Amino acid sequence: EVQLLESGGGLVQPGGSLRLSCVASGFTFTNYAMTWVRQAPGKGLEWVSAISEGGDITFYADSVKGRFTTSRDNSKHTVYLQINSLRAEDTAVYYCAKNLRSGIACYDYWGQGSLVTVSS
Amino acid sequence: EIVLTQSPGTLSLSPGERATLSCRASQSVSSSRLAWYQQKPGQAPRLLIYGASSRATGIPDRFSGGGSGTDFTLTISRLEPEDFAVYYCQQYGSSPLTFGQGTKVEIK
Repeated sequence: EVQLLESGGGLVQPGGSLRLSCVASGFTFTNYAMTWVRQAPGKGLEWVSAISEGGDITFYADSVKGRFTTSRDNSKHTVYLQINSLRAEDTAVYYCAKNLRSGIACYDYWGQGSLVTVSS
Repeated sequence: EIVLTQSPGTLSLSPGERATLSCRASQSVSSSRLAWYQQKPGQAPRLLIYGASSRATGIPDRFSGGGSGTDFTLTISRLEPEDFAVYYCQQYGSSPLTFGQGTKVEIK
């Protein structure tokens, strides 16, 4: 059974940092690109970042470029999202998601979400 | 950036009725790389359709997708009680990947 288990969310002050983790199981982790998608309270879905199977290629939305960093440790079956210089508008549930297959960036499995709240 | 506009914003229907949801793109979506998701309150999204018309694993055949270029539809042939939710389209043909704003299907 495929599972994505996220952790690391919480309340942080503006300008602060957090690192989200997503531990994957139930599939061959090294065969799949992984993605982060966020959802602000009561709002729609926003694609944030993606990382290739090997971790050597990353992509970011303009809204987070330069502040967010995605990485992965294939030995630990884990993908990370380092979030720096947090702003109020970064408040959201952050989901990690597994790409359907190579070259197809839609997502067949999602984590339960990790809430990040940016407030003083 | 490709902007996806979903309509209507809210669809009020009764169980057993047919639902037709629209997703219009500001530019042509490459190779029909369009997906549909269902999201219920407090839950993560669930992939329904990819490649505009291919059902994801385990998705009932009452869900169907169609369209190409800039106009796409998701049809639910006969609404079941568990189908009342918010539906999002997503294009993955060009960067940045984008989602529509969602259509809520509510019980009339």
